Amino acid sequence: EAGVAQSPRYKIIEKRQSVAFWCNPISGHATLYWYQQILGQGPKLLIQFQNNGVVDDSQLPKDRFSAERLKGVDSTLKIQPAKLEDSAVYLCASSLTSGRAGFSYNEQFFGPGTRLTVL
Amino acid sequence: QKEVEQNSGPLSVPEGAIASLNCTYSDRGSQSFFWYRQYSGKSPELIMFIYSNGDKEDGRFTAQLNKASQYVSLLIRDSQPSDSATYLCAVVEYGNKLVFGAGTILRVKS
Repeated sequence: EAGVAQSPRYKIIEKRQSVAFWCNPISGHATLYWYQQILGQGPKLLIQFQNNGVVDDSQLPKDRFSAERLKGVDSTLKIQPAKLEDSAVYLCASSLTSGRAGFSYNEQFFGPGTRLTVL
Repeated sequence: QKEVEQNSGPLSVPEGAIASLNCTYSDRGSQSFFWYRQYSGKSPELIMFIYSNGDKEDGRFTAQLNKASQYVSLLIRDSQPSDSATYLCAVVEYGNKLVFGAGTILRVKS
C-alpha cells in the first residue's frame, strides 16, 4: 500500500513570496490533515478535511494560509505572502475517517513532509 | 485547547538500559494517548496507543497511563542506538484531532 505522498520535499523562498504544497493521501482515506512543525516543537494541526469539507481550521492563519481538497482526494496548502516565522516542516497526514462520534481514533499516517525555509 | 507537556531532553541512556519518557496533559477528560517516534528529518510514526489506566506492553515498549495524575509514560527496555530519536506524546481531541507535546530527544549511547 502506497503511503502519503507530498511535494516538494524542500522549498526555499524569500519573505512575501507565495508557495504551495501538495499532498496525496493513502487511497481510500477520507480524512486529511495538514500540520505545521516548527523546529524543536511538536506538530500543530492547521486544518482537517473530511472528504472535501473542512472539519477544523481553527488554527489556520487565514489571512495568509489557504487550503483546499477538491474532489476529496489531493490537497493543496498555500501560503501568500510568506513570513520568516512560516519556516517549518509542513506535514500531511491521512486516516480512514475521523472516527465515530466522540473520542474514538483512527490512526493517522504521515507523509514525508515539506521543509520550507523563508529567507 | 488541551496542552501536553514533555521534558525536551536530551535524555541520554547507555545501550541496554531502560529509557523512561514522561508526559503530562492538562485536560482531565482526555481519554486516549499516543506515543510517536520521529527520527531526525523524518515524519512521525506511531509506536504505542493507550486509553486504559495501567500498563500496555508491546515488545520492548511499555506505555503507562495514570489518569488520576494526568500522566503518561513510555518505557523502552534494552535501549538500542537505533532508538535514538525524538519521542512525541499526543492526546486525541474530539474528531480524531491530535495535540502533540514538543517531544523528548532520546540518545542511546553504545
